[in-house]
Amino acid sequence: EPEVTQTPSHQVTQMGQEVILRCVPISNHLYFYWYRQILGQKVEFLVSFYNNEISEKSEIFDDQFSVERPDGSNFTLKIRSTKLEDSAMYFCASTRAASGSTDTQYFGPGTRLTVL
Amino acid sequence: AQRVTQPEKLLSVFKGAPVELKCNYSYSGSPELFWYVQYSRQRLQLLLRHISRESIKGFTADLNKGETSFHLKKPFAQEEDSAMYYCALSGLGATNKLIFGTGTLLAVQP
Repeated sequence: EPEVTQTPSHQVTQMGQEVILRCVPISNHLYFYWYRQILGQKVEFLVSFYNNEISEKSEIFDDQFSVERPDGSNFTLKIRSTKLEDSAMYFCASTRAASGSTDTQYFGPGTRLTVL
Repeated sequence: AQRVTQPEKLLSVFKGAPVELKCNYSYSGSPELFWYVQYSRQRLQLLLRHISRESIKGFTADLNKGETSFHLKKPFAQEEDSAMYYCALSGLGATNKLIFGTGTLLAVQP
């Protein structure tokens, strides 16, 4: 069964450094998402991406964040200048759903980002 | 505000006992409700959704719009049910983003 994959599984970085988290969604899926989970807190929506552009973003997703689908398979989340509070587990998800319908979101295993 | 509330951080039961994981939501429209499960060292995966009204691994959940609840139930818990359970809500905007509760850790004791 196809799965969403994410790399790396764990990323350690210094405060102020740029990080890129990578995701390979399921191949026939159309909608892509990033969520994050700070330790001990709930999973929070960051951004959704459809048709090569951001379709919705949360207030967490400020100018330090960006997303990109550089080729037909990868979906990346970039944090330009990491802060201590960016330390979290970041989940990628994808779904077949076109706008207006609700379909199952399939999640990747997550990338644990640690900012020192 | 749209919100999902799971009041219990931890629910510990013995094998064979009934289980009820509570979920309440706040949403102004007609949401779709989900239960996601995360077993140890595994990814988040969909357990069930209210719209399909099916039973998965013996779990059921009924949407109660009057009480704005979507509690997850199983009559007889198994040790392999031990996991983190997240209630989630969708239907917000055109992108179907999920709003999650804080999760309940179910521990089934032998």
